[in-house]
Amino acid sequence: GIQVEQSPPDLILQEGANSTLRCNFSDSVNNLQWFHQNPWGQLINLFYIPSGTKQNGRLSATTVATERYSLLYISSSQTTDSGVYFCAVNQAGTALIFGKGTTLSVSS
Amino acid sequence: DAGVIQSPRHEVTEMGQEVTLRCKPISGHDYLFWYRQTMMRGLELLIYFNNNVPIDDSGMPEDRFSAKMPNASFSTLKIQPSEPRDSAVYFCASRKSNQPQHFGDGTRLSIL
Repeated sequence: GIQVEQSPPDLILQEGANSTLRCNFSDSVNNLQWFHQNPWGQLINLFYIPSGTKQNGRLSATTVATERYSLLYISSSQTTDSGVYFCAVNQAGTALIFGKGTTLSVSS
Repeated sequence: DAGVIQSPRHEVTEMGQEVTLRCKPISGHDYLFWYRQTMMRGLELLIYFNNNVPIDDSGMPEDRFSAKMPNASFSTLKIQPSEPRDSAVYFCASRKSNQPQHFGDGTRLSIL
C-alpha cells in the first residue's frame, strides 16, 4: 500500500515564527488532505489539495503530485496553532491513508 | 450543514461487555469510513463502505469487531466481547466520491 511520511515529527516554535511541514508519499494519488488535530482531539480539515497551491489566511499548502510531496506553510504562528498536523492521501475509490503526523507546539 | 455525527462521545465499560458505536454520515455522501486512533499505531483504517456495501474490512483487527451500514444514513461498529486493548478513539468519516473526507468528533472508548 501507499506509504505516507511526514517531517519533522516534532516542532517547537515561538509565537510569530514561520514553519514548513512536509509530506512525502510513495505512489500517485487522486487526493491529498491536510488536517489539524486540536487539543480536544477533533480532526479539522485544512486543505483538500491533490495538486497546486492553496491559501487560507496564515496557512497555505502546495502539492507537487509529479514529485509525490506536499508542503504545509504556517506563517506568524499562534498558540492556537498547536496540535498535530496530519497529511493523508488516497487513490480513486479508496480510503485516506494517514502519515504519523507532525506535533507542533507554539509558545508565547 | 450538519457534519458527521458520532455517538456516544465517551464510553467506559468493563472487559467482556458488548460495545456499539454509532455514526450518521453527511447527507449525500456515498462513502463511510471507520478509523481507530491509538498512540502506538496512529490513525488506522478499520473498514469502509461504498453505497452501504462493505468494500475493504482488512483493517478490522479480529472477529470480535463487526460493522454494518443498514442504510445510507447510519452505521454501527460493534465490539463483542470488548478487551482493554480495544481502548482507543474511534472516528467515523464520510465523503462523496472523490471529494474531501470529513470526520466526526470521535468516540473515546475505555475498556476496564
